Amino acid sequence: GAVVSQHPSWVICKSGTSVKIECRSLDFQATTMFWYRQFPKQSLMLMATSNEGSKATYEQGVEKDKFLINHASLTLSTLTVTSAHPEDSSFYICSARLIERRYEQYFGPGTRLTVT
Amino acid sequence: AQKITQTQPGMFVQEKEAVTLDCTYDTSDQSYGLFWYKQPSSGEMIFLIYQGSYDEQNATEGRYSLNFQKARKSANLVISASQLGDSAMYFCAMRGVSGGYNKLIFGAGTRLAVHP
Repeated sequence: GAVVSQHPSWVICKSGTSVKIECRSLDFQATTMFWYRQFPKQSLMLMATSNEGSKATYEQGVEKDKFLINHASLTLSTLTVTSAHPEDSSFYICSARLIERRYEQYFGPGTRLTVT
Repeated sequence: AQKITQTQPGMFVQEKEAVTLDCTYDTSDQSYGLFWYKQPSSGEMIFLIYQGSYDEQNATEGRYSLNFQKARKSANLVISASQLGDSAMYFCAMRGVSGGYNKLIFGAGTRLAVHP
């Protein structure tokens, strides 16, 4: 149980285009989902907290207009990287918190984005 | 502010031996949680173990145990009987009341290599 999926697992796009990454909780409901970014050989940095039915809360330094987050249902959150640039190339990981188990976060497998 | 410090960039251990991965933390919160995650080369984050700040006993999960020393603000992970499949990056993380129990702060990680 408590499986989180991400789609796509990897994507290559050209500079200036937009890319959408989906995060789904497959067998549980998640009122809160989280988006992290991980550069090579570095740690995870929280980008934003996504709450179902409301606006996402972004961490300091994260551009809201560039990283659009939508949490339309209890099982789906999306991250759209708009007008992507090579410096946006990174590993993006989402996680979801199980309503009944507030202290655990279940992570998706991640999406590797390469912007050329 | 909350901070996690992992001072060991890399660790080596012989198969079947035990290994300790260090983690120290800094927080002004009275209530907080400490986590360890494993990240294999595939990139997925695998939850290993959790320790609450008010838990009196050290957490254990199979071959994983957390050596929690509250006064020293340390939460070291002990892996007993190492296996080749334990080779991965290991991240210590914490969450506290000041972060609304939402924000996971990660350490820089320790890369563990298990040798046969």
